Amino acid sequence: AQSVTQPDIHITVSEGASLELRCNYSYGATPYLFWYVQSPGQGLQLLLKYFSGDTLVQGIKGFEAEFKRSQSSFNLRKPSVHWSDAAEYFCAVGGVHKLSFGAGTTVTVRA
Amino acid sequence: EAGVTQFPSHSVIEKGQTVTLRCDPISGHDNLYWYRRVMGKEIKFLLHFVKESKQDESGMPNNRFLAERTGGTYSTLKVQPAELEDSGVYFCASRPASGASRDTQYFGPGTRLTVL
Repeated sequence: AQSVTQPDIHITVSEGASLELRCNYSYGATPYLFWYVQSPGQGLQLLLKYFSGDTLVQGIKGFEAEFKRSQSSFNLRKPSVHWSDAAEYFCAVGGVHKLSFGAGTTVTVRA
Repeated sequence: EAGVTQFPSHSVIEKGQTVTLRCDPISGHDNLYWYRRVMGKEIKFLLHFVKESKQDESGMPNNRFLAERTGGTYSTLKVQPAELEDSGVYFCASRPASGASRDTQYFGPGTRLTVL
């Protein structure tokens, strides 16, 4: 069975500081991994995805994530957070079809 | 290119009533998915259409939920009769069958359903 754990429900970070969101997954085969973001009043927007190849993937809005097979992790990072990054972030795993999501991490950015 | 659209954005109904949610996928996307997020928990898969056919409906909670995709374009999700535990946000996603983005699901803004 596939599953995703996002250990942090809520993270508060200062503007300009770095951000790391954790994601651990369980999947029987080589996973497709995704990070989505939902800003207030908006839908889910794809930040980045990993299917194969280079384990460090770059996404939109300055985000990157690193796939670590040995740790079953796919953590999301951003070197310097902007106020507009305040949102809820979801990690997801799956094949081409059914995705399993984590419970989400809400990021608050303080001035 | 227009994204996935969903209607309505919000719906408030009484227990026992019927509600129909609509999803318009990105034009040309054969694959359409419904997901649901209940009470701030995980977003959970409900079902998957390929064109007008149900490919996988393993996530549908019970027979009060009926999804259709007549003609393989837009899809509707009907809840009849609605129960309190059906409250949540219903997301629709679509995915092309081919091309560079064939492995990515694109999500709509969701419909927030509140059952009183």
